[in-house]
Amino acid sequence: AQSVTQLDSQVPVFEEAPVELRCNYSSSVSVYLFWYVQYPNQGLQLLLKYLSGSTLVKGINGFEAEFNKSQTSFHLRKPSVHISDTAEYFCAVSDGGGATNKLIFGTGTLLAVQP
Amino acid sequence: DAGVIQSPRHEVTEMGQEVTLRCKPISGHDYLFWYRQTMMRGLELLIYFNNNVPIDDSGMPEDRFSAKMPNASFSTLKIQPSEPRDSAVYFCASRWGPGELFFGEGSRLTVL
Repeated sequence: AQSVTQLDSQVPVFEEAPVELRCNYSSSVSVYLFWYVQYPNQGLQLLLKYLSGSTLVKGINGFEAEFNKSQTSFHLRKPSVHISDTAEYFCAVSDGGGATNKLIFGTGTLLAVQP
Repeated sequence: DAGVIQSPRHEVTEMGQEVTLRCKPISGHDYLFWYRQTMMRGLELLIYFNNNVPIDDSGMPEDRFSAKMPNASFSTLKIQPSEPRDSAVYFCASRWGPGELFFGEGSRLTVL
């Protein structure tokens, strides 16, 4: 079965600074990867996804992620964060490699943006 | 569409009581998922359905948990009897095929 590792449980960063949230997945022949964001007391919302094609994926709110097959990574980046980006971010992989299969989530990274 | 609707948003109950959580997926979606979120274990997939049929219930903790989907617009997750360790936020999510997974706002369960 697929698995996802988010090594950083919390990432503090100052407003307008760049940020990278790390995600590594277990290797598979084919893989579909996702990043979700969870604001306090809310459900998860899709930020971006990689299914195929270009390895650089752009999402909402200025976030982007790069699929790196050789390093089995899918790190999330933003060049300049805002206070409003403070939230929990989850990396997820489609189990079994199929897009219709269940999603397995990482343990999450709390992005704490400070003024 | 109003999105995935869950009820109740908050539930406080005593150990041993039956708890029923409800979910209305987005109309037209053919997949429905139940997740549980805790500080200790993060987001865990409990069970998911495709076209109202349970596909994988390997994440259901034990026999005290059961889930049903009697039709395309309604699902329930039941815990009987409830225990304090069941305290968590339970999320329902739905999607159409390989599309985006939409989450409800969750049901926060506290078992005393």
